[in-house]
Amino acid sequence: DTAVSQTPKYLVTQMGNDKSIKCEQNLGHDTMYWYKQDSKKFLKIMFSYNNKELIINETVPNRFSPKSPDKAHLNLHINSLELGDSAVYFCASSQDGTGELFFGEGSRLTVL
Amino acid sequence: GENVEQHPSTLSVQEGDSAVIKCTYSDSASNYFPWYKQELGKRPQLIIDIRSNVGEKKDQRIAVTLNKTAKHFSLHITETQPEDSAVYFCAASWDSSASKIIFGSGTRLSIRP
Repeated sequence: DTAVSQTPKYLVTQMGNDKSIKCEQNLGHDTMYWYKQDSKKFLKIMFSYNNKELIINETVPNRFSPKSPDKAHLNLHINSLELGDSAVYFCASSQDGTGELFFGEGSRLTVL
Repeated sequence: GENVEQHPSTLSVQEGDSAVIKCTYSDSASNYFPWYKQELGKRPQLIIDIRSNVGEKKDQRIAVTLNKTAKHFSLHITETQPEDSAVYFCAASWDSSASKIIFGSGTRLSIRP
C-alpha cells in the first residue's frame, strides 16, 4: 500500500496553461503539505493543511491554490503556468505531535 | 524566522571511509533536528532525528550530534557503502512538529568504489 500517493508523476505543459496535481494519504495523518524542489534540489514548503485548514502559506504566488476536500486529500492547482514553475512538487503528510514527514513520489512539472 | 545552513554542498568519499555533514541553525528555540536522505529520482525519507534534550543519537552506521550552545548539528556516516550515495538534507523545527520544519540546502554525497 502506498502511504502518500500523488498524480501525475510527470506533467509537461505550455506556458499559460492551468494544471492540477492530486495527493492522497492513507496514513490517517492530520497535516498535509506541498513542497517545491527546484533544479538545485532546494526543498521549500509551499502550503500546509491541518484538518482542512490552511496553516502555512510561504509567500507563494496566488496562481497556486491548494484544495483539501478532506483530511486525506490535498490537491494543488496552478493557474497561468510560467517557466519558473518547472520543478518537482512533493506532497507530504505528518501526524501531529511527531516530526516525521512522509513524502509522496513527487510530480515533475515541466513548463515549455 | 529559522534559517538552516548546510555544508558541504557536495562530498565525495572512498567506500569504507566516514562522511560528515554539518548544519547550523539560527533560532535557539529550535528543538527538533531531522535528517532526510533522497536517492536519485526518489522521495526524501527520514533516516535519523534528534531532539534538543539529547546530545547524540546513533543508529547502526549513522549518528547525529547536537551542540545546542553553538547551534550546530552534524550527521556522521561510518563505513560508507555505495548505497549511501544520495542527497542528504538537515532540517530544524521549533515546535517538534513537522509543520514548522525548515530544510538545509542539501549535500550530495558520492561514494567512490
